[in-house]
Amino acid sequence: AQKITQTQPGMFVQEKEAVTLDCTYDTSDPSYGLFWYKQPSSGEMIFLIYQGSYDQQNATEGRYSLNFQKARKSANLVISASQLGDSAMYFCAMRSYQAGTALIFGKGTTLSVSS
Amino acid sequence: DSGVTQTPKHLITATGQRVTLRCSPRSGDLSVYWYQQSLDQGLQFLIQYYNGEERAKGNILERFSAQQFPDLHSELNLSSLELGDSALYFCASSVGTSGGTDTQYFGPGTRLTVL
Repeated sequence: AQKITQTQPGMFVQEKEAVTLDCTYDTSDPSYGLFWYKQPSSGEMIFLIYQGSYDQQNATEGRYSLNFQKARKSANLVISASQLGDSAMYFCAMRSYQAGTALIFGKGTTLSVSS
Repeated sequence: DSGVTQTPKHLITATGQRVTLRCSPRSGDLSVYWYQQSLDQGLQFLIQYYNGEERAKGNILERFSAQQFPDLHSELNLSSLELGDSALYFCASSVGTSGGTDTQYFGPGTRLTVL
């Protein structure tokens, strides 16, 4: 069965600090994709970053990077130089190509950035 | 702005009623997905359409149905509404390729409240 686990319900960080949000996944499919989405208090879901299971390098998008450790089945999101606007819920999601096209989401981590 | 539009933004209705949620995908995207986000169930995949045809089904109740029209917009119909159907309903769209990233971009959501 496909599963995403986010064990940190809440994280607190100060502005300009880096923060790592944890995500572990479970799948027997060798071909899969991992995604991170941000959900601010306004409710919309914003795509942040993608990592494919065959990608050799960790994905990066601006201040976001994905620390992909395939053997450990982890796909942690690293946000560098946190900003107040980063305060939101963050969801890790997986798409397993054997299982289909739907995204399977974790329960999310709430990130609070203070000044 | 993801380019995916959803209407209405908010919907308040009574138990037993029927409502229709509407979604327009990003220009060029052929796939539309519907997800439900509730406090107890988290984010759950309901159904996917690709170029007018149903492609995949998730945890969609029999009281719920969807369709995708020739202009690629999609509607999610919820009938015989129950209190437990209160949730945030997201539409997402993607190009619809089977491999690669095929990132799903989410609309702003429709918040349904059943009283």
